[in-house]
Amino acid sequence: EDQVTQSPEALRLQEGESSSLNCSYTVSGLRGLFWYRQDPGKGPEFLFTLYSAGEEKEKERLKATLTKKESFLHITAPKPEDSATYLCAVQANTGGFKTIFGAGTRLFVKA
Amino acid sequence: DAGVTQSPTHLIKTRGQQVTLRCSPKSGHDTVSWYQQALGQGPQFIFQYYEEEERQRGNFPDRFSGHQFPNYSSELNVNALLLGDSALYLCASSYGNTIYFGEGSWLTVV
Repeated sequence: EDQVTQSPEALRLQEGESSSLNCSYTVSGLRGLFWYRQDPGKGPEFLFTLYSAGEEKEKERLKATLTKKESFLHITAPKPEDSATYLCAVQANTGGFKTIFGAGTRLFVKA
Repeated sequence: DAGVTQSPTHLIKTRGQQVTLRCSPKSGHDTVSWYQQALGQGPQFIFQYYEEEERQRGNFPDRFSGHQFPNYSSELNVNALLLGDSALYLCASSYGNTIYFGEGSWLTVV
């Protein structure tokens, strides 16, 4: 069964303290892996799509990387406005058209 | 360029009632998916519509039904509401693999 597991569930950082969020996935052929940011009470906001192992994408203080079994979202010198829940999701080649989400990592950045 | 828009933003229903949620996709997007997100969880796939047909369905009962109109907008209907149906209902549109979400409709069943 296709599955996405994110860790840690919650992460507390000081402003400027770099760290990484993990997304482990089990799918029967990866079509794409996605990262979203979700603020409280809002819909998820698209960040990145990764398609193959070794691929990297960057946006401001965020960098997403992909291996054959997991993806990392690296946050460099975070600011309080980076506080949000970060969701990882996958589409499988044999899963049809659905996107499977992990439960997310809640990030808190303190000034 | 308007993104994905959903209505209503919040609503309260009683157990056993029926609810209809509405979604207009992002301009140029022909595919609409619906997701249910419980508090503290990731979104769960309900179903996807393309060319006015349900193309794929997740593990949700038949009480959950939908429709897509010729202009690509969509409705989600839930019958015989249960307390456990209380959640954020997200509409997402896509053209290709990447899906873009609306702000969601918060449904509370009392």
